[in-house]
Amino acid sequence: DAKTTQPTSMDCAEGRAANLPCNHSTISGNEYVYWYRQIHSQGPQYIIHGLKNNETNEMASLIITEDRKSSTLILPHATLRDTAVYYCIVKGGTSYGKLTFGQGTILTVHP
Amino acid sequence: EPEVTQTPSHQVTQMGQEVILRCVPISNHLYFYWYRQILGQKVEFLVSFYNNEISEKSEIFDDQFSVERPDGSNFTLKIRSTKLEDSAMYFCASGTGLWQPQHFGDGTRLSIL
Repeated sequence: DAKTTQPTSMDCAEGRAANLPCNHSTISGNEYVYWYRQIHSQGPQYIIHGLKNNETNEMASLIITEDRKSSTLILPHATLRDTAVYYCIVKGGTSYGKLTFGQGTILTVHP
Repeated sequence: EPEVTQTPSHQVTQMGQEVILRCVPISNHLYFYWYRQILGQKVEFLVSFYNNEISEKSEIFDDQFSVERPDGSNFTLKIRSTKLEDSAMYFCASGTGLWQPQHFGDGTRLSIL
């Protein structure tokens, strides 16, 4: 699976949009981009995933660049409860479903 | 909304003892996984399980580890002879397909004394 690069930490004001970037320049054609988050020491929580089109659900939007080498997770109106570690994971091919977690981005939402 | 449930939430065991961690995946899911997270470190994949057999396992998943789906609802991880370094949070996850999202439980904190 392709490697991903994320900033170590980011801050966001409550009520503002949080835009979390991820680079995955070695992504191959059949690999998906997944986003998970982990609040404190709870289990990772699935947010959203996509292949090449932009995606939106009730939690977030995922914008994937046309060349698929990077993506951005957007939390449209961040709340204090969105403070968490956010993981961008590329998965596909013959990985049998294994998720490979990196260090992620620590997002801190401030009042 | 259906969720993955794990029991117990905290398990304290003496080194060398066997421990079984239990998970109830979401009912229509077919793919099952165990991950672990040592305190302060990354979430690490242990094993994936589909159609009553292991699909993939990591180097961590050695002969001391085993998984089982003893009935239609439970999925267990057994550690035969625990070591101090097995102390970690263990997360179970399940999904409907290889490229469908995995849904995680809240984990079992395993403390080896």
